[in-house]
Formats: sequence, C-alpha cells, structure tokens
Amino acid sequence: KAGVTQTPRYLIKTRGQQVTLSCSPISGHRSVSWYQQTPGQGLQFLFEYFSETQRNKGNFPGRFSGRQFSNSRSEMNVSTLELGDSALYLCASSLEVDTEAFFGQGTRLTVV
Amino acid sequence: AQKVTQAQTEISVVEKEDVTLDCVYETRDTTYYLFWYKQPPSGELVFLIRRNSFDEQNEISGRYSWNFQKSTSSFNFTITASQVVDSAVYFCALSEVSIRNDMRFGAGTRLTVKP
Repeated sequence: KAGVTQTPRYLIKTRGQQVTLSCSPISGHRSVSWYQQTPGQGLQFLFEYFSETQRNKGNFPGRFSGRQFSNSRSEMNVSTLELGDSALYLCASSLEVDTEAFFGQGTRLTVV
Repeated sequence: AQKVTQAQTEISVVEKEDVTLDCVYETRDTTYYLFWYKQPPSGELVFLIRRNSFDEQNEISGRYSWNFQKSTSSFNFTITASQVVDSAVYFCALSEVSIRNDMRFGAGTRLTVKP
C-alpha cells in the first residue's frame, strides 16, 4: 500500500512568487492535513480538508490556501512568498477524522 | 488552549541504555488524543502510537513503552535497550476532539544513540 506522496520534494522560489505543493493521500483516506515545520516555530498546523471541505484552519495569513479534490488529493498554495515561508511542508492523511495520521516526506521550500 | 511541552531538547545515550522522553500536555477538553511520532533525518514523521484520553492503560510494543497519566497530564515514552537506529527527533502531539485533526506538537526531543 503506497504511503502519502508529496511533490515536489524540494523547491526554490524567489520572494514575491507563488508556489503550489501537492499531496496524494493513502488510498481510501479522506482527511488531509497540512503542517509547516521550521526550526524556530516547530510543527504548526495549517489546515485540514475532509471530503473536499476545509474543516479547520490554523493561524496563518490568507496567503496560505489549499484545496482538496474529489479523489482526496490536496494542494496547498502560498502566494507572495516571503523569506520566512522557507520551511518543510508536511502533509498527513487519515482514514477518517480522529484516526491516526500518516505523514509524507514533505516538501522543503526555500525562498530566496 | 492546548499545549504540549517536551522539556528535553536533546538526549544522548549509549547503545543499550534505556531512555525516557517526557511529554506534558495542557487541554481543557475531556476527550482528546495523544500521539508520538518519530522524525528520522529523511524528514518523514513516522507514527508510533495514538492514545485516547479515556484509555490510561500503559502500552508496550517491543522495545517501546508508553506511560499515560492523566493525573499529571503526562504521556512519557520509554525506549528500552536503545539502538543507534533509534536516533531521531521524537514529537509528542495532542489533538482535541472538538478541533479535530489539528494536532498540537511539542518542540521535539532529539535523541542520539551512540554505539
């Protein structure tokens, strides 16, 4: 059974650009969550989608957005990139809400 | 508000030693879940255990064991006879049922096991 797949693995962008990250959950999982990991702030929750609906959102500016497709695949978008957006972005999928979440290997975004 | 504290930033042990990673949490909810994840250098968070707030039974899985004590709001993780492959950053996390899948992570404990 394939795990959570995140693409791309590495990304370098320039300040002011926008970026889209992709996450394919484990087959059959309907919940997808996104987290940002930085050395200073640690792991922080971005948002969670379930059956194409955003159910929960963390404390991040509106530049961070996401969506989920009918096949449960999810994308997150960051517009007007800032240097502080450099981080490891992790996606997690779970079968249902409140079940254990399985993480992908993440996308390491560097903003220069 | 939910909060998870992992007071130990880094721990270094020699192979075959036992090691306990501490986790203290705060929550107003009566129903919540606690988790431990392992993050090796590759970056992926590896799920280790989930425990709900109504189940205070300790759990053992091979060399891993977990001690959940609601009275002290702690969910500690012990590795028995540590091995070099256990070297990683370990995260404790809390999820309140009312918020759902918004896991609040601790800062993590970096464990180094030396041969």
